Amino acid sequence: DTAVSQTPKYLVTQMGNDKSIKCEQNLGHDTMYWYKQDSKKFLKIMFSYNNKELIINETVPNRFSPKSPDKAHLNLHINSLELGDSAVYFCASSLRGGDHSPLHFGNGTRLTVT
Amino acid sequence: AQSVTQPDIHITVSEGASLELRCNYSYGATPYLFWYVQSPGQGLQLLLKYFSGDTLVQGIKGFEAEFKRSQSSFNLRKPSVHWSDAAEYFCAVRANNNNDMRFGAGTRLTVKP
Repeated sequence: DTAVSQTPKYLVTQMGNDKSIKCEQNLGHDTMYWYKQDSKKFLKIMFSYNNKELIINETVPNRFSPKSPDKAHLNLHINSLELGDSAVYFCASSLRGGDHSPLHFGNGTRLTVT
Repeated sequence: AQSVTQPDIHITVSEGASLELRCNYSYGATPYLFWYVQSPGQGLQLLLKYFSGDTLVQGIKGFEAEFKRSQSSFNLRKPSVHWSDAAEYFCAVRANNNNDMRFGAGTRLTVKP
């Protein structure tokens, strides 16, 4: 039973294209996140949603647009892809935000922009 | 804002040897502290967390960590490392009432036979 699932696992595309990554959690959690992991394994938060409401929006280009249709889903749409967008993108969820609830991570989407 | 530092980028230990991975945090009050492990091609898995009470916390896979307020540290330990422990380890910190969980740069653990 997959707790946090994201699709696709791999995404190879050309510069200038638009792509989406989907994320779903079946844990009943209130809070969901998108993190970006670069080639040096550094993890940086991009967005956080609490009950479909945007809570955190780090300094991310506005080409990145998250969408949360309900609290179990948080999708990430990226317009006009650039080479520097190549990374692994992780979706995560937690029971609540702002306390000691740990994050549960998906297995990541490796995005390669050529 | 809270931040976390993992001073060691890469550590190599022999199988059966003890392990300590260092983590230092910066935050005005007591934060919530976490250790995660990432195997190649996988997401991050929670090993343990600290939020209050006993400063020595036990986690999964035989790991433990000790919160030391005076040193702003939350080091991860294991008495005897197994080859399957080879992975990337991340320390993370979250301030109270803050959705933002910040991760250290990670420490890559290599286990020698």
